[in-house]
Amino acid sequence: GNSVTQMEGPVTLSEEAFLTINCTYTATGYPSLFWYVQYPGEGLQLLLKATKADDKGSNKGFEATYRKETTSFHLEKGSVQVSDSAVYFCALIKTGTASKLTFGTGTRLQVTL
Amino acid sequence: KAGVTQTPRYLIKTRGQQVTLSCSPISGHRSVSWYQQTPGQGLQFLFEYFSETQRNKGNFPGRFSGRQFSNSRSEMNVSTLELGDSALYLCASSLSSGSSGELFFGEGSRLTVL
Repeated sequence: GNSVTQMEGPVTLSEEAFLTINCTYTATGYPSLFWYVQYPGEGLQLLLKATKADDKGSNKGFEATYRKETTSFHLEKGSVQVSDSAVYFCALIKTGTASKLTFGTGTRLQVTL
Repeated sequence: KAGVTQTPRYLIKTRGQQVTLSCSPISGHRSVSWYQQTPGQGLQFLFEYFSETQRNKGNFPGRFSGRQFSNSRSEMNVSTLELGDSALYLCASSLSSGSSGELFFGEGSRLTVL
């Protein structure tokens, strides 16, 4: 079946540090890939997405590239801010599976001054 | 534009009771899906409704059920509650069913079963 594996957290960084959160997936066919973010006390928000191999999703300074050869979709940001502190979820959806997203376990990011 | 609204936000029940959670999607969205979030299992898909029809269902027992009304509002029901049902239940809406995976989530209903 489909699965998503994320690096264990928490990840603690100083403000302006470089961020990488690793995500790999297992799926048959050609899934679409997503990063969702959950700020404290809130629901999930879509951060970025990529729908085919070599696509790069980007938003709010975050980027992730769909790498089919390594089945990866790592999240990166060049300079994190305190306001980026949240839980980040990697997810995939296969065409034809309705709105059934398969999520990773989430990675908590804590950014300090 | 109002977001996804879930009620109640918090509730406490005892084992054996049942609970009904409500979700109002973003205006114009016809698809509503439900997820359970727990520290141990993470986010797990429960089911999705589109135009009052269940389109997909996750691997949950029959105690978990749902429905959607003609105005796209949705409810989910859990009967014979167990301690393990304690979780944050998230509702998400989208314009149509499954085509993009771009879901808009509510803040969730946090259920505690004692």
